[in-house]
Amino acid sequence: AQKITQTQPGMFVQEKEAVTLDCTYDTSDPSYGLFWYKQPSSGEMIFLIYQGSYDQQNATEGRYSLNFQKARKSANLVISASQLGDSAMYFCAMRGVPGGGADGLTFGKGTHLIIQP
Amino acid sequence: DTGVSQDPRHKITKRGQNVTFRCDPISEHNRLYWYRQTLGQGPEFLTYFQNEAQLEKSRLLSDRFSAERPKGSFSTLEIQRTEQGDSAMYLCASSPPGKNEQFFGPGTRLTVL
Repeated sequence: AQKITQTQPGMFVQEKEAVTLDCTYDTSDPSYGLFWYKQPSSGEMIFLIYQGSYDQQNATEGRYSLNFQKARKSANLVISASQLGDSAMYFCAMRGVPGGGADGLTFGKGTHLIIQP
Repeated sequence: DTGVSQDPRHKITKRGQNVTFRCDPISEHNRLYWYRQTLGQGPEFLTYFQNEAQLEKSRLLSDRFSAERPKGSFSTLEIQRTEQGDSAMYLCASSPPGKNEQFFGPGTRLTVL
């Protein structure tokens, strides 16, 4: 069954520093997809980045990169040169829901990131 | 290109009443998803449509919940005989053909008194 674990409930980071948000996952499927979403205080879920399990290279999207370590079952999000606007909840997710099918997403509990000036 | 829209944005209802929410996905997105998010938690999957067919339902989706997507465009989620435990943010997301990303709407916040 799919499971996502985010062990950092909250993080404080100085502006302009790089940030690493941890995510570990568990699945018995040989093919899977991993996602990161940002949820500001306004509530909307914003898609950031996607990594497929068979992708040879780590995914990157602007200041976001995904540090994918398949053997360790980890998919950490790295934000370079953090900005005040990066303050938000960040959720790691994977495709597949225990007992619910293959296409919905299973989310972790999230990490609340606060960028300090 | 407009995003996913949801209506209403907020709903307050009394226990035992029925409520219905609407989701309009991004144009030409064939897949549509419903999630529920409670305070301090990540979203939980409820159900999924590909075009008008409801393909997956979570075991979280009790008999009081029903979802439709009659013409493969907008979708509705109805909750009958609401309970206080139904209070949550209800999120809708859509995906285009051949893509993995799910794009979320702003959500409908339900409060059951």
